[in-house]
Amino acid sequence: DQQVKQNSPSLSVQEGRISILNCDYTNSMFDYFLWYKKYPAEGPTFLISISSIKDKNEDGRFTVFLNKSAKHLSLHIVPSQPGDSAVYFCAASGVLYARQLTFGSGTQLTVLP
Amino acid sequence: NAGVTQTPKFRVLKTGQSMTLLCAQDMNHEYMYWYRQDPGMGLRLIHYSVGEGTTAKGEVPDGYNVSRLKKQNFLLGLESAAPSQTSVYFCASSYRGTGADGYTFGSGTRLTVV
Repeated sequence: DQQVKQNSPSLSVQEGRISILNCDYTNSMFDYFLWYKKYPAEGPTFLISISSIKDKNEDGRFTVFLNKSAKHLSLHIVPSQPGDSAVYFCAASGVLYARQLTFGSGTQLTVLP
Repeated sequence: NAGVTQTPKFRVLKTGQSMTLLCAQDMNHEYMYWYRQDPGMGLRLIHYSVGEGTTAKGEVPDGYNVSRLKKQNFLLGLESAAPSQTSVYFCASSYRGTGADGYTFGSGTRLTVV
């Protein structure tokens, strides 16, 4: 039973528009959430994170929103660029799980020029 | 600054053969991890280590063994490979292991068991 779910395997967006990637989690004991970006033939790279005590965190074009009551987080990329085309993984951690990261299945984002 | 280096990058094994995947990090990180990535499954934790000489089981440890004899190296062994172990394997390391500091991943090892 996946505790972190990314229900959209793929997303296509026009260059310059907003990309919204979604992630749901089932375990209320998770208290830290992260997004990773992965290009083909490379390892995932850390993108942005958010603590459960916040509902928003921004870093340049990337913003992560957390809705604890809905157990939902989203990553907004504005404006989207062709170089953003990659697989995006949502991940969660909790102190009761030795802080190990639990990953979602990923969403392939394609930004069309 | 090499970060996390995995060797080999590709390998084809026959069922029943054994092999060892090597992970090396030069960041003086205490924590190291082995994940496997399968289509539609995301990354699943196999084993991890919280320091030199320690190892622990993750979500999918069966069929794998690990060792952390030196702080900078984390080895993943397959004693008797099975087709179900065909996957892409990623090693990662982190400084504090809190999850908050993010993990640094290697570029992966693509393993095919025939």
